[in-house]
Amino acid sequence: AQSVTQLGSHVSVSEGALVLLRCNYSSSVPPYLFWYVQYPNQGLQLLLKYTSAATLVKGINGFEAEFKKSETSFHLTKPSAHMSDAAEYFCAVSVGNQGGKLIFGQGTELSVKP
Amino acid sequence: KAGVTQTPRYLIKTRGQQVTLSCSPISGHRSVSWYQQTPGQGLQFLFEYFSETQRNKGNFPGRFSGRQFSNSRSEMNVSTLELGDSALYLCASSLTGYEETQYFGPGTRLLVL
Repeated sequence: AQSVTQLGSHVSVSEGALVLLRCNYSSSVPPYLFWYVQYPNQGLQLLLKYTSAATLVKGINGFEAEFKKSETSFHLTKPSAHMSDAAEYFCAVSVGNQGGKLIFGQGTELSVKP
Repeated sequence: KAGVTQTPRYLIKTRGQQVTLSCSPISGHRSVSWYQQTPGQGLQFLFEYFSETQRNKGNFPGRFSGRQFSNSRSEMNVSTLELGDSALYLCASSLTGYEETQYFGPGTRLLVL
């Protein structure tokens, strides 16, 4: 069965520092992986998506993620944090043979200190 | 292209009542999925509809039901509301659902008193 684990429910960084949000997945088939961001009182916005075309995926707002099959990881990074990056981030895996079903990690709340 | 819309945005109900939430997908999208988001359980999949048929269902009691209309708009219904049903309900749409990006609406926040 597919599952997603996000390490760290809360991460705090200083403005300008590296952002690293961790995501590990479990999947019996090649996964489709996603990172979404949620701002307060809003829905989820797609940051980036892994579809097996390239292991390093670039997304919006300067975020990128690297798919590492050997480590079953899909960590999200951004070289320099901005105050506007403060939000909750969710990693998700698509259950390929079950249509439109996403399995989400528990989320990581990112705080950015000035 | 307009995004996914959900109505109403906020709702207050009392225990025992029922509620219906509505979701209009992006034009051309035929798959609509529903999720429940709570602080304790996180984001959990409720069900997915494609071409007016429920294609997948999560682990929720039968009080949670849904349907999809021929124009792909979807509704979900919760009967006999419980306090634990208080949550943000999100719907998402995609073209066919399989391994595609799901685009989320802003959600309906339901408070059960």
